Amino acid sequence: EVQLVESGGGLVQTGRSLRLSCTASGFTFGDYAMSWFRRAPEKGLEWVGFIRSKTYGGTAEYAASVKGRFTISRDDSKSIAYLQLNSLKAEDTAVYYCSRDPIAATGTNYYYYYMDVWGNGTTVTVSS
Amino acid sequence: SYELIQPPSVSVSPGQTASITCSGDKLRNKFVCWYQQKPGQSPVLVIYQDSRRPSGIPERFSGSNSGNTATLTISGTQAMDESDYYCQAWDISTAHILFGGGTKLTVL
Repeated sequence: EVQLVESGGGLVQTGRSLRLSCTASGFTFGDYAMSWFRRAPEKGLEWVGFIRSKTYGGTAEYAASVKGRFTISRDDSKSIAYLQLNSLKAEDTAVYYCSRDPIAATGTNYYYYYMDVWGNGTTVTVSS
Repeated sequence: SYELIQPPSVSVSPGQTASITCSGDKLRNKFVCWYQQKPGQSPVLVIYQDSRRPSGIPERFSGSNSGNTATLTISGTQAMDESDYYCQAWDISTAHILFGGGTKLTVL
């Protein structure tokens, strides 16, 4: 069974750090890009960032709201994607989800990513 | 920066057709996906590549993309379809994943 399980969430003080993990099973982890999303209370789903597969360079991209504070990495030997959260603010309080991101190429020299499997989420609460 | 705009809410009566829109500049040039997220649950992919349904998604879910607007259509809407729905696209120029603000579908 294809599965993603997030862990590492918790209560943390403003300005501190936290590392979230997304452990994958049931598929060849290294073949896929992986994204992180979050949903804050009373708000919509927000893309945080993603990391490409090694085939496509293994590099990461970030939303403007977290760039410079959050870092995504991956360990293909362990089938885990990580989200390092630094300098946390109250507005980072949210449920954080990871997703598996297939890359789809069309015949017109265009490609795109989409999210076909999601984890159950882990809750991060930032409090002073 | 590129934005995907969704109406905050849509209401529909049981058995009727619900249409949820997603607008963006020349959106027809991008492939659009749709996700359903119920309270306390993870998102679920219901449409990808504008109109394709993943296995296990009921046939009443369909999608289209033309001009500046993509549309998720739910035919014969059921109470279980009450949920938040998000559109998503890929911005190849910035290498960013784009998400709409979400639409709360209420089945009255």
